[in-house]
Amino acid sequence: QVQLVQSGAEVKKPGASVRVSCKASGFPFSSYGFSWLRQAPGQGPEWMGWISAYTGDTYYAQNFQDRFTMTTDTSTSTAYMELRSLRSDDTAVYYCAREVVRWNLIARAGSDPWGQGTLVTVSS
Amino acid sequence: EIVLTQSPATLSLSPGERATLSCRASQSVSSSLAWFQQKPGLAPRLLIYEASNRATGIPARFSGSGSGTDFTLTISSLEPEDFAVYYCQQRSNWPLTFGGGTKVEIK
Repeated sequence: QVQLVQSGAEVKKPGASVRVSCKASGFPFSSYGFSWLRQAPGQGPEWMGWISAYTGDTYYAQNFQDRFTMTTDTSTSTAYMELRSLRSDDTAVYYCAREVVRWNLIARAGSDPWGQGTLVTVSS
Repeated sequence: EIVLTQSPATLSLSPGERATLSCRASQSVSSSLAWFQQKPGLAPRLLIYEASNRATGIPARFSGSGSGTDFTLTISSLEPEDFAVYYCQQRSNWPLTFGGGTKVEIK
């Protein structure tokens, strides 16, 4: 079945970096894109960015542009995100979600499915 | 960025009742709006995309309507598993943004 499985929980100190993986199965990886989102405790989801697994094109939310990178590895059907210079307010559950393969189609689709989430805790 | 305002914040209803959730955008998003359901400890699940299209496997009791700035998610008859938090998301403009959510709780 269509599934996204994310890597496990992380505990990081302020200033460190974190890398989260999202392994896809059940569908042709390169025919889709992926969004990364996060959800702080008690808050709604926040969209961080999108990447096409076919072209490598990316769109980043302005809040994250300087310290956030998304990549994909088509050989392992895995999407990755890296967030650098972590702060305490980066503590959140981070999600990947399957999207359309081209940005100009994103308005007509939905994020489906989502990975199970990865808790990233930033604490000294 | 486009701001989405959801109302009410909390909806207290009984199983079998009709739920009507609202999402208002700060500027037109055409029909580029999605609805998600989230239960505690789980990832959000796509219910509706492009304002009125049900996602795969979503029961017919869920329906979406609206365009421009005003949108509605209707659950025609609440089942016990429908008590959850619901979010709208606009997909018309970068960055994609979410509303603050409506919690549907058991009365």
